[in-house]
Amino acid sequence: QKEVEQDPGPLSVPEGAIVSLNCTYSNSAFQYFMWYRQYSRKGPELLMYTYSSGNKEDGRFTAQVDKSSKYISLFIRDSQPSDSATYLCAMSGQAGTALIFGKGTTLSVSS
Amino acid sequence: GAVVSQHPSRVICKSGTSVKIECRSLDFQATTMFWYRQFPKQSLMLMATSNEGSKATYEQGVEKDKFLINHASLTLSTLTVTSAHPEDSSFYICSAEDRDGGGNSPLHFGNGTRLTVT
Repeated sequence: QKEVEQDPGPLSVPEGAIVSLNCTYSNSAFQYFMWYRQYSRKGPELLMYTYSSGNKEDGRFTAQVDKSSKYISLFIRDSQPSDSATYLCAMSGQAGTALIFGKGTTLSVSS
Repeated sequence: GAVVSQHPSRVICKSGTSVKIECRSLDFQATTMFWYRQFPKQSLMLMATSNEGSKATYEQGVEKDKFLINHASLTLSTLTVTSAHPEDSSFYICSAEDRDGGGNSPLHFGNGTRLTVT
């Protein structure tokens, strides 16, 4: 079993849809959870950063962490074609340490 | 926000030659930088952890004599792929932590270097 599991998709939605992306993990020591967006041939761009369990909202993006279930989610409201990218979940046990990444989910938002 | 600059963005080299990739933190000091490799449609895989002023720590399966890492200052780390072979062709990405981020700052990534070995 891999440490971080993420459905690679692809996921195709119409513009304006609510998108739900998620990851599961096996290491209960993970405390820091991140979502990155990666456009083709570019480095990952940090979207959301959460410590421990709970929800965090930033504009159209909401991140949820459920440590009891070892499950994290990213919700995108009112999705736009510019949201089309690969979304990577990442996590670590200690701040500033190397991240363990999911495989990434490719999202396509059509206008 | 914090910016990590990586150079070059793309390089093509002949088999057997060496290639150096630079990773700079532009507006913060980075005690630790990380080097990842990403194959097409795959996730980022950690290659090594680079600490300023000391030897890098390599992940299992990564040849330290092939992938030379130098972290000579708090704003610069370099990765040199020595005697490159076609199987080294990949997307190399560095990341850095803001040393003054209170120990709770996320990692910021460079834009990656696409290496093609012919």
